[in-house]
Amino acid sequence: SQTIHQWPATLVQPVGSPLSLECTVEGTSNPNLYWYRQAAGRGLQLLFYSVGIGQISSEVPQNLSASRPQDRQFILSSKKLLLSDSGFYLCAWSVPPFYVLTFGAGSRLTVL
Amino acid sequence: AQSVTQPDIHITVSEGASLELRCNYSYGATPYLFWYVQSPGQGLQLLLKYFSGDTLVQGIKGFEAEFKRSQSSFNLRKPSVHWSDAAEYFCAVGANTGGFKTIFGAGTRLFVKA
Repeated sequence: SQTIHQWPATLVQPVGSPLSLECTVEGTSNPNLYWYRQAAGRGLQLLFYSVGIGQISSEVPQNLSASRPQDRQFILSSKKLLLSDSGFYLCAWSVPPFYVLTFGAGSRLTVL
Repeated sequence: AQSVTQPDIHITVSEGASLELRCNYSYGATPYLFWYVQSPGQGLQLLLKYFSGDTLVQGIKGFEAEFKRSQSSFNLRKPSVHWSDAAEYFCAVGANTGGFKTIFGAGTRLFVKA
């Protein structure tokens, strides 16, 4: 069966520190991978998506970047965190033809 | 680019009453439409989806939604709400534009009173 792992579950980081959130998918090949950020009252904001290894599309210019070093691994990074980067980050995957998203449990980031 | 509007930030209904959550989308072609639910402490789960065919689609937990192209709407309904339906509901629109993207609305939080 397909599963998605996301870690760490919670993270408290000082302003200016780096960030690395990881996501891995099991049980499927060549999935589309996504990073979303959820903020209260704003729904889920699509940050990045990837259709294959090394292929990253950015939806929102910001302080974050994403990478896909392997088919089923998706990483969200930042070199220097801002207060505004605080939030709940969700990784998800989908495959054609229906592109239903399957989400990870999420990573809650607090930047102090 | 596609977009989604959920005009109601929160809704309160009595247990046993009917429910309708509103969703309007913007997209030039026929979109893929979804409703997801996020229960307290739970992850996001698909309720139902529409791609083509019958405009009334059935989902899990007794939910249904109707696609109305003329109104660019995809409202979610349930005839009788249970206390366990209290959650946040997200409407989403997907499209294949050089890679499939799903864009979510801001969500509607449902409160159920006894």
